[in-house]
Amino acid sequence: EDQVTQSPEALRLQEGESSSLNCSYTVSGLRGLFWYRQDPGKGPEFLFTLYSAGEEKEKERLKATLTKKESFLHITAPKPEDSATYLCAVPPTGGSYIPTFGRGTSLIVHP
Amino acid sequence: DAGVIQSPRHEVTEMGQEVTLRCKPISGHNSLFWYRQTMMRGLELLIYFNNNVPIDDSGMPEDRFSAKMPNASFSTLKIQPSEPRDSAVYFCASSRQGAYTEAFFGQGTRLTVV
Repeated sequence: EDQVTQSPEALRLQEGESSSLNCSYTVSGLRGLFWYRQDPGKGPEFLFTLYSAGEEKEKERLKATLTKKESFLHITAPKPEDSATYLCAVPPTGGSYIPTFGRGTSLIVHP
Repeated sequence: DAGVIQSPRHEVTEMGQEVTLRCKPISGHNSLFWYRQTMMRGLELLIYFNNNVPIDDSGMPEDRFSAKMPNASFSTLKIQPSEPRDSAVYFCASSRQGAYTEAFFGQGTRLTVV
């Protein structure tokens, strides 16, 4: 059974204080990893897809990286508008059609 | 592109009543997903359609839940009869190719069953 674990569950940062969110996974044959951002009262919004170990993608203050066991979402000099819940997910493996989502990291950036 | 459109945004109903949630996926996407999100269980996949055909409904909690996709631009999720434990936020999402490509989510329907 595929498993995705995100840590920490919650993170409070001061504006400008860089940090990283972790997404560790156990799957039988990784076929990619997705990062989403979810604001309160809204649906998850797609951020990145990573396909292979060593791959990196950037968008504004966010950079996602992937290893064979985990992915990191690095947030550089965050701003209050970066406050959200960040979810990672892996596509299904084997005969399943069901992606596996982590429980998310709730990020609050204080001004 | 208007994105995935869900209606209603909020629904409050009494226990035992029928509830119908609606979704319009992104044009050109061949896959549609219904998810339920709660604090206790996070994001759970209820059912997955590919080319309007239900492929995996193993996440549907019980027979009170049913979903249809009569055409490529419309899907419904129905709960009959509704129960307080069905209270949650229900999301519809669509993608270009199943769960192997990124999904685009609607704004969700917050369902409260009293």
